[in-house]
Amino acid sequence: LAKTTQPISMDSYEGQEVNITCSHNNIATNDYITWYQQFPSQGPRFIIQGYKTKVTNEVASLFIPADRKSSTLSLPRVSLSDTAVYYCLVGDPFVYNQGGKLIFGQGTELSVKP
Amino acid sequence: DAGVTQSPTHLIKTRGQQVTLRCSPKSGHDTVSWYQQALGQGPQFIFQYYEEEERQRGNFPDRFSGHQFPNYSSELNVNALLLGDSALYLCASSLAPRASGEETQYFGPGTRLLVL
Repeated sequence: LAKTTQPISMDSYEGQEVNITCSHNNIATNDYITWYQQFPSQGPRFIIQGYKTKVTNEVASLFIPADRKSSTLSLPRVSLSDTAVYYCLVGDPFVYNQGGKLIFGQGTELSVKP
Repeated sequence: DAGVTQSPTHLIKTRGQQVTLRCSPKSGHDTVSWYQQALGQGPQFIFQYYEEEERQRGNFPDRFSGHQFPNYSSELNVNALLLGDSALYLCASSLAPRASGEETQYFGPGTRLLVL
């Protein structure tokens, strides 16, 4: 399973765009990149998932360069309620002996200030 | 459409006791995974159940056991509780992938266990 590295913490202000970069140098061919958001004492919430290039949904964008060794989660115009821990995960959902388990790192603690 | 639900929300036990946590997966999901999250850490995979069998297991002792029922709901049992078992226990459900591709696990709100 590919190991991920992301900043431990980031600060931002309301209305700014926040970009959190995750490194995954050993990503495998069948691996997908998934980002989760977690508020204190709550379960992680799926934000976005991608394989290559760019993925966008109503919450965020995910940029994945051609070599797929890194990815960037982009949160447009953050608000105070976006203060949370963001996890970047890499893995192949289908490999049977993995059972689709998710390997979480420490995550990035994003603090949005007024 | 109900998401993943877990019960109870909070629980206090003493060392040596046993505890059972419950999880109902998101509608349409057939796979349930359990995670332990200590304070300030990312969730750690305990095990996963599919078709009522444990399919994959993380680095947890045999004191941690589970079960999946025909309706896909699941239980996590922890015996001989230790102080270090105090954590947020998360249940995640998903639909077993039939081919290589996207798969998303949806998490419940968790059960906060405190062992005194």
